Amino acid sequence: DAKTTQPPSMDCAEGRAANLPCNHSTISGNEYVYWYRQIHSQGPQYIIHGLKNNETNEMASLIITEDRKSSTLILPHATLRDTAVYYCRTHSGGSNYKLTFGKGTLLTVNP
Amino acid sequence: NAGVTQTPKFRILKIGQSMTLQCTQDMNHNYMYWYRQDPGMGLKLIYYSVGAGITDKGEVPNGYNVSRSTTEDFPLRLELAAPSQTSVYFCASSIQGTGANVLTFGAGSRLTVL
Repeated sequence: DAKTTQPPSMDCAEGRAANLPCNHSTISGNEYVYWYRQIHSQGPQYIIHGLKNNETNEMASLIITEDRKSSTLILPHATLRDTAVYYCRTHSGGSNYKLTFGKGTLLTVNP
Repeated sequence: NAGVTQTPKFRILKIGQSMTLQCTQDMNHNYMYWYRQDPGMGLKLIYYSVGAGITDKGEVPNGYNVSRSTTEDFPLRLELAAPSQTSVYFCASSIQGTGANVLTFGAGSRLTVL
């Protein structure tokens, strides 16, 4: 898995878009990018993943740069309930089953 | 379809006691994981399993043991509990094919060792 780098914290105003960056410059060609979030004291929750193309679901959008060395998770209209720690990680299939997490970004959505 | 179920939700142990945290999933996932999360910190992988009968160490395995006798269950045993094992424990599972590997987490088990 590629090493990921995320800012430790970010703020966002309620109703505005939250753009969370992640650097994964050593990512290999078959590694997916995954985003999870953890609302205080709860189990982490899967948000979205992608390989090369940008992805969108009901929760968020994932933008992956053309060289795949970084990505951005976009919450289009952040609400107070989106305050959480957001984790970016990469993983390929195959024989690497040791799924670890970095420290993530604490997103605080302010009223 | 309950997903990943962890029991107990809360437990207080005395130093030196032993206990087992239970984790079961009903999604027929082949991979299962145990993580711990200390206050204000990130997730640390304790043990993982790629199928029944197969387990391996993660980042912080000392003081813990696991077994995987069935696809559904992946219990985590703490032997001789120590205050350093005070943490929230999360179990997760996933199904590994040729593509993506999305983790589903349980709600967590909060353990305090006094």
